Amino acid sequence: SQQGEEDPQALSIQEGENATMNCSYKTSINNLQWYRQNSGRGLVHLILIRSNEREKHSGRLRVTLDTSKKSSSLLITASRAADTASYFCATRIMDDKIIFGKGTRLHILP
Amino acid sequence: EPEVTQTPSHQVTQMGQEVILRCVPISNHLYFYWYRQILGQKVEFLVSFYNNEISEKSEIFDDQFSVERPDGSNFTLKIRSTKLEDSAMYFCASLPDRGDTQYFGPGTRLTVL
Repeated sequence: SQQGEEDPQALSIQEGENATMNCSYKTSINNLQWYRQNSGRGLVHLILIRSNEREKHSGRLRVTLDTSKKSSSLLITASRAADTASYFCATRIMDDKIIFGKGTRLHILP
Repeated sequence: EPEVTQTPSHQVTQMGQEVILRCVPISNHLYFYWYRQILGQKVEFLVSFYNNEISEKSEIFDDQFSVERPDGSNFTLKIRSTKLEDSAMYFCASLPDRGDTQYFGPGTRLTVL
């Protein structure tokens, strides 16, 4: 698998349900960030979690980081139609590169 | 709130032509990046720039690509002789310090005909 690989690739849930997306990576990281991208648009930063942090919250978002398993999860609670988008994790490794995963396409059903 | 801006929003060019994509990072930021995203694919790192020089570049960033910060505010990506496969969204990003959040611009859609 590649550095920063999300699963599932696509996720459809009913509005109001929680959505969980996962990201795995291969090398040691400095931090991990989650981004949202609406179709054909730019990248919106959601949350950054540093390698020495295990969990972080921001509104309806909860991110966890398990450096021993080299994985992170993004939980969106009480999903809304406006949450429909692609979600990417991006890892900053020890040099100046930031590597994006392929993303999870989230679709919220009315 | 300060934001990264990019111009143009859409650039159409003929194969073999040179293009310059422009970015204005947030004013107190020190690290600058270019990424590209081919339609339907993931965002790919191209190059990072700090202290007026390239700090990292990917294998995509070959001799056809160059970056410049000509005047302390603009950050440009030049593609010398465009190929069809250069068609993509190009995103600029900046951050104040290495461990911080990246702020992305809205992107420039480059179409090479």
